[in-house]
Amino acid sequence: GAVVSQHPSWVICKSGTSVKIECRSLDFQATTMFWYRQFPKQSLMLMATSNEGSKATYEQGVEKDKFLINHASLTLSTLTVTSAHPEDSSFYICSARDPTGVYGYTFGSGTRLTVV
Amino acid sequence: QKEVEQDPGPLSVPEGAIVSLNCTYSNSAFQYFMWYRQYSRKGPELLMYTYSSGNKEDGRFTAQVDKSSKYISLFIRDSQPSDSATYLCAMGTGKLIFGQGTTLQVKP
Repeated sequence: GAVVSQHPSWVICKSGTSVKIECRSLDFQATTMFWYRQFPKQSLMLMATSNEGSKATYEQGVEKDKFLINHASLTLSTLTVTSAHPEDSSFYICSARDPTGVYGYTFGSGTRLTVV
Repeated sequence: QKEVEQDPGPLSVPEGAIVSLNCTYSNSAFQYFMWYRQYSRKGPELLMYTYSSGNKEDGRFTAQVDKSSKYISLFIRDSQPSDSATYLCAMGTGKLIFGQGTTLQVKP
């Protein structure tokens, strides 16, 4: 099947520092990956669509300068939370669509970010 | 009005019951329809994926899509305590839009 690996699974950082989260498609190439944010007991909110070799497309209300997305290869997309603050603490999840269409959209295991 | 509406529950049923989960949507352009299961602090796990109206069955799970009514359902037969989780409907064309999620508890 289509596997997406996300790293790290959890991270604690100090306010004002930056944190990078990696999302890799392990057994398929993904020209497009998606980044979501999920607050406790709430659903997934799409933050941005990551396109290999071009700029990411951000959803309305998402600060592109705070959430930097880089999709430098067909198997890797990164999300960097810059100058993190406690309100950025959340569960971040990436997703990629299997190009064959068989497995639909596969999700990573998520990264729990806590900013102290 | 949200593009995808899902009753958040919570839903509590006895073991062995048939569970029905539902979502409605407003965008007739949606092509992909999916159901995910999510356990606490984990990423969503794909249960069912379809792109046409009708029924799709996989083991104890049946997904139903009615594009004319903009309505999708997931049925779980012979529910088990291990089915206790949050179930999310998702749909879209390129990007996925998620419902709010329904929390299900199956009691032994």
